[in-house]
Amino acid sequence: QSVLTQPPSVSGPPGQRVTISCSGSSSNIGRNTVNWYQQVAGAAPKLLIYTTYRRPSGVPDRFFASMSGTSASLAISGLQPEDEADYYCSSWDDSLRIPVFGGGTKLTVL
Amino acid sequence: QVLLVESGGGLVKPGGSLRLSCAASGFNFSDYYLTWIRQVPGKGLEWVSYISGSESYTNFAPSVRGRFSISRDNAKNSLYLQMNNLRAEDTAVYYCARSTLSGVMFEDHWGQGTLVTVSS
Repeated sequence: QSVLTQPPSVSGPPGQRVTISCSGSSSNIGRNTVNWYQQVAGAAPKLLIYTTYRRPSGVPDRFFASMSGTSASLAISGLQPEDEADYYCSSWDDSLRIPVFGGGTKLTVL
Repeated sequence: QVLLVESGGGLVKPGGSLRLSCAASGFNFSDYYLTWIRQVPGKGLEWVSYISGSESYTNFAPSVRGRFSISRDNAKNSLYLQMNNLRAEDTAVYYCARSTLSGVMFEDHWGQGTLVTVSS
């Protein structure tokens, strides 16, 4: 059971916009920033979003992250086949005093 | 460019020990926190441990605390994870990652991982 809750899967056709949610609590997302990682099948995870909103260089602006209260969201617009991957959110938990991950969301591009 | 290469994985019996290594290059090694994160095949990511650049700060997931230790050799640009009293549930791919502390810590570069299998 992950501390951060993500939907197991989302899907959409090429060109569409999808959103992946990440639900936490006042001890993690409610008071700390959020990171997002993308993991393509068979590969290591890759940093997608850091400190809630920022994109590393090379990450297209089709990836947009937001946060409200104790939840965060990752929106992917203009879906492309290469976006098919698992997506993980992470944050710091002040009660556990460790980094925590969501369970991951599998994005399928139909 | 930043490169992280893990080694040391393999098959070990329950109760046994294993030492993972991570060789780093392409950045000023001692300036960064380093982190171990694991992933059971087909499952999600689980943070395991981190260590500060000066080795002053370490932290462990409750599931490994007291069994695993983390260390680094800044002269050799290497990170280590000593795993003792291994259990079947420690079976996973272990990734080392470079971490940056900005807000919360994030991992901006990852190795390709090394598989640890704990089985009799």
